[in-house]
Amino acid sequence: KAGVTQTPRYLIKTRGQQVTLSCSPISGHRSVSWYQQTPGQGLQFLFEYFSETQRNKGNFPGRFSGRQFSNSRSEMNVSTLELGDSALYLCASSLLGTGREETQYFGPGTRLLVL
Amino acid sequence: GEDVEQSLFLSVREGDSSVINCTYTDSSSTYLYWYKQEPGAGLQLLTYIFSNMDMKQDQRLTVLLNKKDKHLSLRIADTQTGDSAIYFCAERPMDSSYKLIFGSGTRLLVRP
Repeated sequence: KAGVTQTPRYLIKTRGQQVTLSCSPISGHRSVSWYQQTPGQGLQFLFEYFSETQRNKGNFPGRFSGRQFSNSRSEMNVSTLELGDSALYLCASSLLGTGREETQYFGPGTRLLVL
Repeated sequence: GEDVEQSLFLSVREGDSSVINCTYTDSSSTYLYWYKQEPGAGLQLLTYIFSNMDMKQDQRLTVLLNKKDKHLSLRIADTQTGDSAIYFCAERPMDSSYKLIFGSGTRLLVRP
């Protein structure tokens, strides 16, 4: 079974631009979560989607948004990029997201550099 | 509140055992996880333990959970140079079961 895939793997943008990152979950998984990893803040939860609906959101500004499609693939968008948005963005998938025995499996991440 | 703490760095000699420690604060946590991250890569799930267990063994990995002290440890037996990576402890609180709360990670260096 293929793992979680993320595209692109690397991205360079300039301040003020916007960016869209894509995540394809493990087949059959319906929950997709996004995390931001930076050296200063570590791993922080961005949001979680299930059945095309955002169920939960972390403490990030409205410039960070996302969506999920009917095939469970998810995209996240960051508008008006700032230098501090430079990070590794990780996507994780799980079957339902809230079950007792749920386990999140992570993709390789998209490394975003904002200049 | 939700907080997970880990020591930042551990250095061991190849063949020795490594023990990585983690403390967490949310007593409602249902599952506790260990993830491994190699340079430039995502997170690889190593093992996890349910909060009503004390110990779980999986090949070279042993997880010990002291629920009273909210202390979790990961022991790697016969540590190899390929085990050099950052190890993250994560908790999954009962009331926030949709997300994982991560520690800051422990960088393990295995010396030949």
